[in-house]
Amino acid sequence: QVQLVESGGGVVQPGRSLRLSCAASGFTFSNYAMHWVRQAPGKGLEWVAVISYDGSNRYFTDSVKGRFTISRDNLKNTLYLQMTSLRPEDTAVYYCARDLEIVTVTVPHYWGQGTLVTVSS
Amino acid sequence: DIQMTQSPSTLSASVGDRVTITCRASHSISSWLAWYRQKPGKAPKLLIYQASRLESGVLSRFSGSGSGSEFTLTISGLQPDDFGTYYCQQYKSYPWTFGQGTKVEIK
Repeated sequence: QVQLVESGGGVVQPGRSLRLSCAASGFTFSNYAMHWVRQAPGKGLEWVAVISYDGSNRYFTDSVKGRFTISRDNLKNTLYLQMTSLRPEDTAVYYCARDLEIVTVTVPHYWGQGTLVTVSS
Repeated sequence: DIQMTQSPSTLSASVGDRVTITCRASHSISSWLAWYRQKPGKAPKLLIYQASRLESGVLSRFSGSGSGSEFTLTISGLQPDDFGTYYCQQYKSYPWTFGQGTKVEIK
């Protein structure tokens, strides 16, 4: 079955960097777009970024543009989120999610259990 | 960016009740709308996509309707397991955006 396992979260000081990983299994990773969605403590969901199945297209929410990068390694079945210049407001559980449809970009479908990123001095 | 507004923010209903949650978009999104439910401490679960298409395995008491800028999620015959927070999400234009959520409590 589809499995997504995030890692790389932790406590980091403001202005520093962190890289999240998402290991995928149970499906043909290279066929699907992948998303990152975050949720600040006690708050709602915020879509962060998406990368197309082949890595050729990437889109971000406004608040992370220029600071976060999304990438993927289709040989390692792994999705990444490189976060730089971190701010306290980036504190959240970060979920990776597989898209619903093959090839095209639609909505997050299967989700991991999330990894907590805390930005604090 | 397209803003998504849900109402109500919280609702409390009894088992067997018909429950309706509304989601409004600040611009027309055609039918590019999804609904999720999230239970405490868990990842969200996709219920409906393209405004009215039921995700595989989701029970038929859930239904979605609407197009343009106004949408509804209806639960026909609320069950104890339906508690949680429900979110709408548009995927018409980037960035994808979620509503603020509607917390459903069982009386």
